[in-house]
Amino acid sequence: TQLLEQSPQFLSIQEGENLTVYCNSSSVFSSLQWYRQEPGEGPVLLVTVVTGGEVKKLKRLTFQFGDARKDSSLHITAAQPGDTGLYLCAGVRNKLVFGAGTILRVKS
Amino acid sequence: NAGVTQTPKFRILKIGQSMTLQCAQDMNHNYMYWYRQDPGMGLKLIYYSVGAGITDKGEVPNGYNVSRSTTEDFPLRLELAAPSQTSVYFCASTPSDSNQPQHFGDGTRLSIL
Repeated sequence: TQLLEQSPQFLSIQEGENLTVYCNSSSVFSSLQWYRQEPGEGPVLLVTVVTGGEVKKLKRLTFQFGDARKDSSLHITAAQPGDTGLYLCAGVRNKLVFGAGTILRVKS
Repeated sequence: NAGVTQTPKFRILKIGQSMTLQCAQDMNHNYMYWYRQDPGMGLKLIYYSVGAGITDKGEVPNGYNVSRSTTEDFPLRLELAAPSQTSVYFCASTPSDSNQPQHFGDGTRLSIL
């Protein structure tokens, strides 16, 4: 059983569509990190959210931390093929706990 | 600035063989970590180190050993390779604690046949 559940596991969309990836838990985290991983490479940090209810924007990516600090979401507007990759959320509780990831494929 | 460097990138082992996965970082980070990544399972922590001479078990340490003789290097040792250890292994580092964003290497893809 994963402490952090990510959904969906796999998403295939057309260029220009919007999408949301969810990261849910029954546990509270002091902060939550989102990473993006491309094939053959290690994960790279996108953002860290710390405060309950916090919203952070990174160009077309919007990250939200739930009020209770148990869940988070990543919304991508007008997805592009370059957004293709594995998106991982990771919650901080003494050590970092990773979700299983969402594989995103954006077709042109 | 190389960051976190892992070698080798790929390796095939026979059951029962041993090998060492190398990890080096040039950022003077105190904390280093070893993860394994299996399809649909995310990253699982194998071992970590908070500084030279100090190591501790993570979530899935069985079948592995580590050492940390210097700040820069954190090798992972498999003594008796088993098919269940087929995975992609990632090394990561942070400056001072595990709450900080982790810097990952590009991974070692290991197959045990």
